[in-house]
This record gives sequence, structure tokens and C-alpha cells, in this order.
Amino acid sequence: EPEVTQTPSHQVTQMGQEVILRCVPISNHLYFYWYRQILGQKVEFLVSFYNNEISEKSEIFDDQFSVERPDGSNFTLKIRSTKLEDSAMYFCASRFGSGGGDTQYFGPGTRLTVL
Amino acid sequence: AQSVAQPEDQVNVAEGNPLTVKCTYSVSGNPYLFWYVQYPNRGLQFLLKYITGDNLVKGSYGFEAEFNKSQTSFHLKKPSALVSDSALYFCAVRDISGGYQKVTFGTGTKLQVIP
Repeated sequence: EPEVTQTPSHQVTQMGQEVILRCVPISNHLYFYWYRQILGQKVEFLVSFYNNEISEKSEIFDDQFSVERPDGSNFTLKIRSTKLEDSAMYFCASRFGSGGGDTQYFGPGTRLTVL
Repeated sequence: AQSVAQPEDQVNVAEGNPLTVKCTYSVSGNPYLFWYVQYPNRGLQFLLKYITGDNLVKGSYGFEAEFNKSQTSFHLKKPSALVSDSALYFCAVRDISGGYQKVTFGTGTKLQVIP
């Protein structure tokens, strides 16, 4: 069964450093998402991406964040200058179409620890 | 804006007993509702969804959920709990007002099945 994959599973970085989190969505999916989950809290929407551009973003997704689909398979989240409060689990998700009933499938997540 | 409430942080149930994990929602239009499960150190796995049709929706691993429009609820149920069902369960609602359909999650309910 196709699945969303994410690398690395765990990333440790120093405050102020740049990190890139990588995702490979399900191959025929068209809509891509990033969510994050701070330890012990709920899953929060960050950004959605369609047709090579951001379609929606939350207030969390400030200028320090960017997303890119550099090729036909990868979808990346970059944090330019990490802060302690960026420590969280980051989930990538993808969806095939625009139908209201279409399911988002999530990857296993990348745990980001900022020291 | 849409929202989801999971009133119980934790639910404990004995193995073999029926379980219910509660969820209520608020949306401006027709709700698209989802349940996801998160096992320790794992990503979010899709369990089931309600889009339209029968109010009782059947999903993976023997779970089902009942959509109740008058009570704006979408409770997750299983007739006989297994120890392996112990996990974190998230209710979610699809917001289609923006067109790109981000998912808004509840705060999660930890299910503990006691042997």
C-alpha cells in the first residue's frame, strides 16, 4: 500500500540553524500539507501546497518557514533560523484530489529538537 | 471557523468491553469528519471518515463512528476493546471554506485498554 514517507525521523539542531525536513508524498497525490505537533499538544496545520504554490498557511507559518517541491517526488519544509519553540513533531500529509471526502494521508513524522 | 472538541483527555476501558471516545464539532456548512489514531512514536493513521450517507461509519480495526447531526457529535466506538487499541485518538474536521481543505484536529484522547 502506498504511503507517505519522511526523513529524517529525528533531527537535532542548534538554535539559529537552518533545517530542512523532507517528505515523499504518495505518488499520484496533488495536494500536500505540513502539520506540527508540539509534545503533548494537538496537531496544528502549518501550510498547504498545490500546483507548485502555497494555497493556505496558518499564523504559525511565518517568514522563517518555507516549502518547496524541488522535483516530482519530494516536498520539503525549511526552517531558516530555528528557535527553541520550533521543537515539535512535524507531519507531512498528501491527498489526491479536491473532493470534500478525500482523505489526507500522513507520514510517520520528523521529530525536531532545537537545543 | 470550524473546531473540534474532545472532552476527555483519557479513557480507560477493560479489555473486551465496549469503548467510546467522544467528539463534538462545529462547522458552518456540512461537516466532513475524520478519526485518526496515533501509536507511540508513530504518525497519524487514518481510521474512518464521514462524508455523507449512513450515520454509522465503519473503519479500520473494527472501529466505527456514529454521526449525530442534532448533537453535532461524531463519537468513535468499538464493541470489544483490545489491549492493542491503546493509543492516542484524534477527531478532525475538514474545513472546505478556503478551498484547500486543511484538517483541524481535536486535542486528542488517550485510550488505555486494561488487560
